[in-house]
Amino acid sequence: AAGVIQSPRHLIKEKRETATLKCYPIPRHDTVYWYQQGPGQDPQFLISFYEKMQSDKGSIPDRFSAQQFSDYHSELNMSSLELGDSALYFCASSLASPGEKLFFGSGTQLSVL
Amino acid sequence: AQKVTQAQTEISVVEKEDVTLDCVYETRDTTYYLFWYKQPPSGELVFLIRRNSFDEQNEISGRYSWNFQKSTSSFNFTITASQVVDSAVYFCALSEAGFLNAGGTSYGKLTFGQGTILTVHP
Repeated sequence: AAGVIQSPRHLIKEKRETATLKCYPIPRHDTVYWYQQGPGQDPQFLISFYEKMQSDKGSIPDRFSAQQFSDYHSELNMSSLELGDSALYFCASSLASPGEKLFFGSGTQLSVL
Repeated sequence: AQKVTQAQTEISVVEKEDVTLDCVYETRDTTYYLFWYKQPPSGELVFLIRRNSFDEQNEISGRYSWNFQKSTSSFNFTITASQVVDSAVYFCALSEAGFLNAGGTSYGKLTFGQGTILTVHP
């Protein structure tokens, strides 16, 4: 069965650079989520999209932006990277339904040097 | 605000031992959903179980079992006869009832606990 696909798997950037993470949700899933997991931390909700429209926001820095495209893939753009942005970034998808389980991708490990 | 607390940061057991991971939650909603996810060393988050607030039946799936008690706001996870492959970080998570309207949806906004690192030694 198709799963959530994220790319790249690993990304190394310098401070103040920009990074773009991509996510391809499971076909027919109408909602995409981005989560950030710092080292030794639990995943934190960043932002979600429902039917290609931004739906809900969590603790996402202003330096980050995201969008969902007509083919339902989503991109998380991070600018002016800081050392503290080093984390595992997960994308997940689901159907918009109460208590629906989220299917997570394998994550993108971002290292900011 | 909702909160999930996993009391054990790390647990170490020897193979074939039973182990219970504790999870306590706080929410003001009367309708909510509880989850357990497993994060093996490879890093992905794997869904294990979902429980809604109206279903207090315990569940068993192979060596895994879950005990949901609304009276104590707990949703504990037990692995029977643990194996080395069970070694992972386990997260308990909560989502509230949420909404879906023309402006979007809050479904899927999970609040995770801090995670419990389980190490099973041969």
